[in-house]
Amino acid sequence: DIQLTQSPSSLPASVGDRVTITCRASQDISNYLAWYQQKPGKAPRALIYGASSLQSGVPSKFGGSGSGTDFTLTISSLQPEDFAIYYCQQYHTYPLTFGGGTRVEVK
Amino acid sequence: QVQLQESGPGLVKPSETLSLTCSVSGGSFTTWYWSWIRQPPGKGLEWIGYVHSSGSTDYNPSLKSRVIISLDTSKSQFSLRLYSTTAADTAVYFCARDRGWAAEWGQGVLVTVSS
Repeated sequence: DIQLTQSPSSLPASVGDRVTITCRASQDISNYLAWYQQKPGKAPRALIYGASSLQSGVPSKFGGSGSGTDFTLTISSLQPEDFAIYYCQQYHTYPLTFGGGTRVEVK
Repeated sequence: QVQLQESGPGLVKPSETLSLTCSVSGGSFTTWYWSWIRQPPGKGLEWIGYVHSSGSTDYNPSLKSRVIISLDTSKSQFSLRLYSTTAADTAVYFCARDRGWAAEWGQGVLVTVSS
């Protein structure tokens, strides 16, 4: 299975901050990477697919980049509704696998 | 806009079979992959498997010996059966439309495995 390692696991931040989360794959996955946001008691919400394509309806403050084994999710200006857990997921090879998650929390 | 809704028992006894159904509305059921994903309380996400509208399936090797995913196209539903459950199968179970990435999700249903 392809392992995805996210860092940091916890990210204290303030409203207005630019936030960057990284995801590293255990092997080359080209651009077959998605990012999700999950709030307590809710299903994950797809933000990014294809490493950098914005899912329909997702605001442009979210951005993704990378290819191969190293990827980033950036939130350009953190808003109160953005405090949540973020997961990366690869779909280069089945079984689909997820990163361990990054909790963006109030500093 | 496609909508997905999970249904099924919230409590299963150890060694028994966990059975869930996902009802799909508001979009085409055919030509897509339909997945089950689970999340133990306080933990991360685990892909269980998918069924394609053609009926083909693929499963996570970690669960393959205990899981069957099937579909009923006449009802726009797909189902999960997980056999020989233990407490480790306690989780929120989500169904999703799978494009490789899960673009649409159901709200999830908590299933507790306990006597």
